[in-house]
Amino acid sequence: EAGVVQSPRYKIIEKKQPVAFWCNPISGHNTLYWYRQNLGQGPELLIRYENEEAVDDSQLPKDRFSAERLKGVDSTLKIQPAELGDSAVYLCASSLDRVGADTQYFGPGTRLTVL
Amino acid sequence: EDQVTQSPEALRLQEGESSSLNCSYTVSGLRGLFWYRQDPGKGPEFLFTLYSAGEEKEKERLKATLTKKESFLHITAPKPEDSATYLCAVQTFSGNTPLVFGKGTRLSVIA
Repeated sequence: EAGVVQSPRYKIIEKKQPVAFWCNPISGHNTLYWYRQNLGQGPELLIRYENEEAVDDSQLPKDRFSAERLKGVDSTLKIQPAELGDSAVYLCASSLDRVGADTQYFGPGTRLTVL
Repeated sequence: EDQVTQSPEALRLQEGESSSLNCSYTVSGLRGLFWYRQDPGKGPEFLFTLYSAGEEKEKERLKATLTKKESFLHITAPKPEDSATYLCAVQTFSGNTPLVFGKGTRLSVIA
């Protein structure tokens, strides 16, 4: 079974430029998460989707970050404009919405460097 | 506020030298405690889920245990390939809520 797929794996941009990350979750997983991981820290949630609905976006900086999950499958996370402090690894995870089977599986992440 | 604290921050072991990693947590209601392994440049890889105090799970050289306040990841006779960052995370009683992670323990196993 294919795991969570993310692209690109690496991105280097100048500050104030836009950037987008793409995630394809594990087939059949209806819950999708975007996390941000700073160096030496654990991942922190940005947004959670159940199917195509964003059910928890309280930690998403909405002035510059946006996300969408069309048709409840793939998802895109966008930053516009990027700031130096946005340099981090952006992780996508997915899980089944089922009691006892809700383990979150992570993709490889996108490492963003803002210069 | 849910909190997870992992110790030590870094651990260096000789090959075959057994040890334990600690994860202490403060949550309003524990749904599950998760252990992940993360290699450099990769996403976290799922290892175990523990749901209730007294529960134990094993996988190869790893054994995870849970009490009402903390979890331990015991590593028996580690090998260099066990070198990684081990992350602990908790999930509260709502199902499919986000994981709250600790900062991790960086384990280095020297041959």
